[in-house]
Amino acid sequence: EAGVTQFPSHSVIEKGQTVTLRCDPISGHDNLYWYRRVMGKEIKFLLHFVKESKQDESGMPNNRFLAERTGGTYSTLKVQPAELEDSGVYFCASSRATDTQYFGPGTRLTVL
Amino acid sequence: QKEVEQNSGPLSVPEGAIASLNCTYSDRGSQSFFWYRQYSGKSPELIMSIYSNGDKEDGRFTAQLNKASQYVSLLIRDSQPSDSATYLCAVRFHQGAQKLVFGQGTRLTINP
Repeated sequence: EAGVTQFPSHSVIEKGQTVTLRCDPISGHDNLYWYRRVMGKEIKFLLHFVKESKQDESGMPNNRFLAERTGGTYSTLKVQPAELEDSGVYFCASSRATDTQYFGPGTRLTVL
Repeated sequence: QKEVEQNSGPLSVPEGAIASLNCTYSDRGSQSFFWYRQYSGKSPELIMSIYSNGDKEDGRFTAQLNKASQYVSLLIRDSQPSDSATYLCAVRFHQGAQKLVFGQGTRLTINP
């Protein structure tokens, strides 16, 4: 069974530009989560999809962040416009129901 | 006060000894507790979950939960150099919410 995959693995952009991160969950997992770890801090929750619906988006920092999961399969997280404080590692996780969350390798985002 | 607290380390343990990792959490109503292991640049990987007071053993790993003291720990017996990693404590605070709240992680080094 393939794990959670994320693309790209690294992204370096300039302040003000737009970046889109992609996550492919484990096949059959209806639950998809986005988390973020900024330098020196703990991993923090951003939002949770159940299929294509946003179940909990309480962790989204502001309206520069837009997450979508059209069709209930892969998800994208767009940051527009990117700011310096958005730099960090963005993790995606998926789970079948209310059980173990399996994490992807993360996308390291650097905003210059 | 942070919601989930861990000693960031580094924690250095000789090979073959017991490594003890600790975590405290703020919400007394927390339901589920997880230990993830993360090697540098890799995905967080679940190694233990615990839901009830007491000990739970899985191979060389033992998770201990004390809800009255709001404390969860992870013991690694017969530590191996391959156990060197960052260990993340994660808590699911409420039964209805699926998001995980993470501590900062403890970096563990096993010395041969």
